[in-house]
Amino acid sequence: GENVEQHPSTLSVQEGDSAVIKCTYSDSASNYFPWYKQELGKRPQLIIDIRSNVGEKKDQRIAVTLNKTAKHFSLHITETQPEDSAVYFCAASLSDMRFGAGTRLTVKP
Amino acid sequence: GAGVSQTPSNKVTEKGKYVELRCDPISGHTALYWYRQSLGQGPEFLIYFQGTGAADDSGLPNDRFFAVRPEGSVSTLKIQRTERGDSAVYLCASSYGDTFEQFFGPGTRLTVL
Repeated sequence: GENVEQHPSTLSVQEGDSAVIKCTYSDSASNYFPWYKQELGKRPQLIIDIRSNVGEKKDQRIAVTLNKTAKHFSLHITETQPEDSAVYFCAASLSDMRFGAGTRLTVKP
Repeated sequence: GAGVSQTPSNKVTEKGKYVELRCDPISGHTALYWYRQSLGQGPEFLIYFQGTGAADDSGLPNDRFFAVRPEGSVSTLKIQRTERGDSAVYLCASSYGDTFEQFFGPGTRLTVL
């Protein structure tokens, strides 16, 4: 089955800096790659997703890139703000969805 | 209701007991997923329904776990002979299909004493 690895497990940045989180996946058939943000005690919320026929997608301060050949995808957050602090999960899906272990992002004011 | 709902929000039970966790998906969503999330971990896939049938149950850890979705809407996750290691937050999500955004419910926190 699909296996998703996510790095780093924790990330601390200064407000205004950029943050990058990277994931790799094992099943080349996976074709949908969402990113979720989860605040403490809350449910995961989708922040951006990308499909396998696209290499990059951007939504304001958030962007995701996908390299299907290398089987990795990344989340980029620019101009980080304290409210971006949360745990971020990547996932890869063909039918079922497999999640990475998460990255705890801390944005220091 | 606008979102996915799950009941109960919290469930405390004793080792060896049987529990049922309920999920009400967003109306019209044909796909429904169950996940288990332990503290500090990502959601762990358990089972995926497309309509009434389980399209993929490869994530169920053992035969103590079973899930149904008899009418293609509400789903129930059933755990027999609960063990302390079953303690986790059980998340349900629904979507229009298997490569569409999944909307998560608030989860049921299961504690097995």
